[in-house]
Amino acid sequence: EPEVTQTPSHQVTQMGQEVILRCVPISNHLYFYWYRQILGQKVEFLVSFYNNEISEKSEIFDDQFSVERPDGSNFTLKIRSTKLEDSAMYFCASKGAPYGYTFGSGTRLTVV
Amino acid sequence: AQKITQTQPGMFVQEKEAVTLDCTYDTSDPSYGLFWYKQPSSGEMIFLIYQGSYDQQNATEGRYSLNFQKARKSANLVISASQLGDSAMYFCVLAGTGNQFYFGTGTSLTVIP
Repeated sequence: EPEVTQTPSHQVTQMGQEVILRCVPISNHLYFYWYRQILGQKVEFLVSFYNNEISEKSEIFDDQFSVERPDGSNFTLKIRSTKLEDSAMYFCASKGAPYGYTFGSGTRLTVV
Repeated sequence: AQKITQTQPGMFVQEKEAVTLDCTYDTSDPSYGLFWYKQPSSGEMIFLIYQGSYDQQNATEGRYSLNFQKARKSANLVISASQLGDSAMYFCVLAGTGNQFYFGTGTSLTVIP
């Protein structure tokens, strides 16, 4: 069964550095998402992406964040200048037929 | 507005027993879906089961079944014959006609040998 693949599985970065989290959604899915889960807390919606543009974003998704689909397969989340509070598990998801909504296994980001 | 509520922050169950994890929801969307995900300590999100709002029958997937009561707006997860590997956090998730998933706060299940 097709999967949503996220890389890396773990990333440690210094505060103030830029990070790029990568996702390969299921091919032929058209909707893409990023979610965040701070340790021990609820999963929070960040952004949805369709037709090469952001379709919806939460108030968490401020100017420090950006998303891009640089080619036909990858979907990336960039955090420009990381803060300690960006430490979280980041989940990518894609939506489309026939599997519906599928989550990746996540990237654990630690900002030190 | 969409809302999903899990009122059990933690649950314990004896190995080989069945356990029910509660979930209630609120949505104004005429068509919606309800999911359950398992999150072990390693952090990944594992899909367990899905129920569509128009599905006539309750969903089942192996040891997992979803007790869907539409009028009560509840979608409880039943795990039969619990195993030690079932110890994890469980999330109930609502998907409406919009783009987002709405997560509950989760229930931490511990299976006791």
